[in-house]
Amino acid sequence: DAGVIQSPRHEVTEMGQEVTLRCKPISGHNSLFWYRQTMMRGLELLIYFNNNVPIDDSGMPEDRFSAKMPNASFSTLKIQPSEPRDSAVYFCASSYVGVSGYTFGSGTRLTVV
Amino acid sequence: AQSVTQLGSHVSVSEGALVLLRCNYSSSVPPYLFWYVQYPNQGLQLLLKYTTGATLVKGINGFEAEFKKSETSFHLTKPSAHMSDAAEYFCAVSENTGNQFYFGTGTSLTVIP
Repeated sequence: DAGVIQSPRHEVTEMGQEVTLRCKPISGHNSLFWYRQTMMRGLELLIYFNNNVPIDDSGMPEDRFSAKMPNASFSTLKIQPSEPRDSAVYFCASSYVGVSGYTFGSGTRLTVV
Repeated sequence: AQSVTQLGSHVSVSEGALVLLRCNYSSSVPPYLFWYVQYPNQGLQLLLKYTTGATLVKGINGFEAEFKKSETSFHLTKPSAHMSDAAEYFCAVSENTGNQFYFGTGTSLTVIP
């Protein structure tokens, strides 16, 4: 298995632009998580899905952030409009509910200028 | 509710010395406990996990951790530090459904030659 695949690896965009981050979970995993990592705040859970259904989005900072999981093999995290304070590394992780633990992707480093 | 406390955001050890990274948790149900390692510019990688059974668990790269229920601890140890162990280490707890994780704030390990 190729693991959790995130794209792009790096994204530089101007303030006000729309940004879409993509994630392909491990086949067979039924839970998917989006995290944001910054020096100031560490790892923050933004949202997670079970069986493609959003379960908890309380970590989504504000309405500019949205996430979708149209099927078991794909999820997106969208920021519109983007702001400099959104600059961070965004991780996607997947798991099979139970004991497996998370498998993380390599992350997307977002820079908003 | 679950939470994790990692004592010491920065730990420095000499090469060949004992590594001890501390993790205490709170959980209202029997926990699953995990240690993850993050190397620079990479995602988080599972080091080891405790779910049930033997309280001393061994992971990759010579690391091990012991679940002590009476102390609500899950400290990570390695007998002899190697330069390649320099990284950020995260402790995490989840309910015994293994679903949503709660991460500590991380401990940065520096290994001094």
